[in-house]
Amino acid sequence: DAGVIQSPRHEVTEMGQEVTLRCKPISGHDYLFWYRQTMMRGLELLIYFNNNVPIDDSGMPEDRFSAKMPNASFSTLKIQPSEPRDSAVYFCASSPPTVLGTDTQYFGPGTRLTVL
Amino acid sequence: GQQLNQSPQSMFIQEGEDVSMNCTSSSIFNTWLWYKQEPGEGPVLLIALYKAGELTSNGRLTAQFGITRKDSFLNISASIPSDVGIYFCAGRLGAQKLVFGQGTRLTINP
Repeated sequence: DAGVIQSPRHEVTEMGQEVTLRCKPISGHDYLFWYRQTMMRGLELLIYFNNNVPIDDSGMPEDRFSAKMPNASFSTLKIQPSEPRDSAVYFCASSPPTVLGTDTQYFGPGTRLTVL
Repeated sequence: GQQLNQSPQSMFIQEGEDVSMNCTSSSIFNTWLWYKQEPGEGPVLLIALYKAGELTSNGRLTAQFGITRKDSFLNISASIPSDVGIYFCAGRLGAQKLVFGQGTRLTINP
């Protein structure tokens, strides 16, 4: 398996522009997570899905952020409009169904976003 | 929100030395996890702990789930250069959500 795939790996944009980050989870995994990593705040959970349905979006910082999962093999995280403080590394992770919960989260390589 | 206090923030050691790092929380967790992150990559799960008092090893790595369920530690024995990276603890709150510590950056002098 190719693992979790994220694109792009790097994104540089100007303030006010729309940014779309993409994720393809591992086939057969039914949980998908979006995280943001910064030096100041560390690794933060933004939102997660189960079977394509958003379960908890309490970590989404504000209305400028939105996430969708139209099918089991694709998810997007959109920021509109983007601001410099959104600069961070955004990770997608997926997890297989398990009675123990989602301990075995497999992370993608991340998208490094820079908003100028 | 929930926070994990991870220490130390960074470590500079000589190759061959043992390493110890820990995480504490004011809240009880039902699972503790340890991840390692290398530059340009996402975190990779090293060890998962599910029961208070549990001691689990993965090669040269050993981790324990504290009796109070509010702490965990990770030891690395006989460190080697490829151990370099950032180590994160994470606690599982409920069925799904993980809370991560701030990380311990490990640097090894050969």
